Amino acid sequence: KAGVTQTPRYLIKTRGQQVTLSCSPISGHRSVSWYQQTPGQGLQFLFEYFSETQRNKGNFPGRFSGRQFSNSRSEMNVSTLELGDSALYLCASSEGLADNEQFFGPGTRLTVL
Amino acid sequence: GQSLEQPSEVTAVEGAIVQINCTYQTSGFYGLSWYQQHDGGAPTFLSYNALDGLEETGRFSSFLSRSDSYGYLLLQELQMKDSASYFCAGNTGFQKLVFGTGTRLLVSP
Repeated sequence: KAGVTQTPRYLIKTRGQQVTLSCSPISGHRSVSWYQQTPGQGLQFLFEYFSETQRNKGNFPGRFSGRQFSNSRSEMNVSTLELGDSALYLCASSEGLADNEQFFGPGTRLTVL
Repeated sequence: GQSLEQPSEVTAVEGAIVQINCTYQTSGFYGLSWYQQHDGGAPTFLSYNALDGLEETGRFSSFLSRSDSYGYLLLQELQMKDSASYFCAGNTGFQKLVFGTGTRLLVSP
């Protein structure tokens, strides 16, 4: 089985721009979660989607949004980028039911200048 | 709030045993997970404790005590490839993980 894939792997943007990141889960997985990883704040949960519905959301401003498609692929969008949004954005997939293991993708490294 | 504290760094030599502690202040955790992350890599799942007690998976074991709000990861027969960051994470439902502060493990020859 192919693993979780994320595109792009690296991205450089300037303040005020917006960005869209993509995540393709493992085949058969219906849950996709997004996390932000920074040296200062560590790994923080952004949101989770299951069968196209957002089931859970972390404490991030409304500039961070996401969606999931019928094939379980997910995108997250960050609008009006700030310098502090520079981070590694990780997505993780799972079957989304009683499972406890999440499978992480390699991440998208976003740099905001 | 929910917070999980870990030592920032632990060092050990090859072949040794090391314990990485995780103390948490929260309610509503269904269980405690552990993830390993090598520099530049993605977190990978190591273990999960839903109930109090010890779970063993090969060289790795994990322990949870809900009454003490405490867990640990035990790594035996350390190898150089075990040098990585280790995170405990509370499972709060609907696939939401609240990660600990992370512990960097350095294994020397």
